[in-house]
Amino acid sequence: NAGVTQTPKFRILKIGQSMTLQCTQDMNHNYMYWYRQDPGMGLKLIYYSVGAGITDKGEVPNGYNVSRSTTEDFPLRLELAAPSQTSVYFCASRAGGTGELFFGEGSRLTVL
Amino acid sequence: AQSVTQLDSQVPVFEEAPVELRCNYSSSVSVYLFWYVQYPNQGLQLLLKYLSGSTLVESINGFEAEFNKSQTSFHLRKPSVHISDTAEYFCAVRAGYGGATNKLIFGTGTLLAVQP
Repeated sequence: NAGVTQTPKFRILKIGQSMTLQCTQDMNHNYMYWYRQDPGMGLKLIYYSVGAGITDKGEVPNGYNVSRSTTEDFPLRLELAAPSQTSVYFCASRAGGTGELFFGEGSRLTVL
Repeated sequence: AQSVTQLDSQVPVFEEAPVELRCNYSSSVSVYLFWYVQYPNQGLQLLLKYLSGSTLVESINGFEAEFNKSQTSFHLRKPSVHISDTAEYFCAVRAGYGGATNKLIFGTGTLLAVQP
């Protein structure tokens, strides 16, 4: 049972480069989320999706884009990477109703 | 909008001592409340949750939390901690209904450091 899978686990980017963080889940969950975690700041919601074709902004969406073409996949794209985007990124999913969030293991991104 | 406050960034405690990690929330609607735990270099895992009903909820590893609506709190407690409880603990809130029910908002986390 794979759950939520994120790739890559680690990545170093130069300022101005772009990249996509991949997230896939095999639990047939409708709801998917992207968070970033910074020391002392907890987790901040970047974007979320309530189903294929539907996405919405969270607390800190600037500099990011998402798409949800299938139930399983929810990639996060960083355009024109900046040092402020250095962080650990977590993807999560849940079933509807009161379902709990299931997290991936995280992707550590450094922008130099 | 919902928000969560965890005032203690770090709580050092000796093994077998009791511990309380504080969590206060703000919301204009009814809420669901959660505690998640994060072990080093891992994702977050659900520890326990309050959805409705009994205000005291328990986890399988001895933690408990009590929902106090009048004080808007959801403090996490354990009567006797182990070294293996060393981790970061996050309190989170989600609106019980409405558009915001889709968003889980986290606090800044409390590092529980259990010392021998």
